[in-house]
Amino acid sequence: GAVVSQHPSRVICKSGTSVKIECRSLDFQATTMFWYRQFPKQSLMLMATSNEGSKATYEQGVEKDKFLINHASLTLSTLTVTSAHPEDSSFYICSARQDKTGLAGGDTQYFGPGTRLTVL
Amino acid sequence: AQSVTQLGSHVSVSEGALVLLRCNYSSSVPPYLFWYVQYPNQGLQLLLKYTSAATLVKGINGFEAEFKKSETSFHLTKPSAHMSDAAEYFCAVSAPGRRALTFGSGTRLQVQP
Repeated sequence: GAVVSQHPSRVICKSGTSVKIECRSLDFQATTMFWYRQFPKQSLMLMATSNEGSKATYEQGVEKDKFLINHASLTLSTLTVTSAHPEDSSFYICSARQDKTGLAGGDTQYFGPGTRLTVL
Repeated sequence: AQSVTQLGSHVSVSEGALVLLRCNYSSSVPPYLFWYVQYPNQGLQLLLKYTSAATLVKGINGFEAEFKKSETSFHLTKPSAHMSDAAEYFCAVSAPGRRALTFGSGTRLQVQP
């Protein structure tokens, strides 16, 4: 089956530092990947849509200069939290949409295991 | 625009009892609907999905859901709960041309021995 990995699974950093999170589709190509954020005991909120070879599309209210997204290849997207602050502490989850032809909107997204970021 | 409402943030059942998790959606176009399960500190695993084929969808681990357009519902059921079913369950919707998912608020399922 389709597998998505995230690295690191857990990171603790000091306030003001930058943290990079990697999302990889291990056995399929993904032109489109998504980044979600999940606060404790809450649902997932879409942050941005990552498109291979082009700029990411950010949801309203998400600072693109703070959450840098790079989709360098068909199997890798990275999210960099710049100048992290305690309020950025959260569970970040990526998903990858398997490239398929002939389907629109109903394609399954495969989720990574998540990255727990703690900013001190 | 689409939205999903999950009724009941917490559901508790006895082991062996019926599981029913409710999901209602709102969409201006025919939706695609999904149920995901999340175990603590893990990502989401797809249980099942509806993409305009059969209205009764069977998923993994004995779960199934029925799409009812007249009720705008996509409730998740399992005939007999197992202790390992205890987790957070999310209903999600997407629409053609909008690839991202919109998630409901989640329902935490507890299974009592």
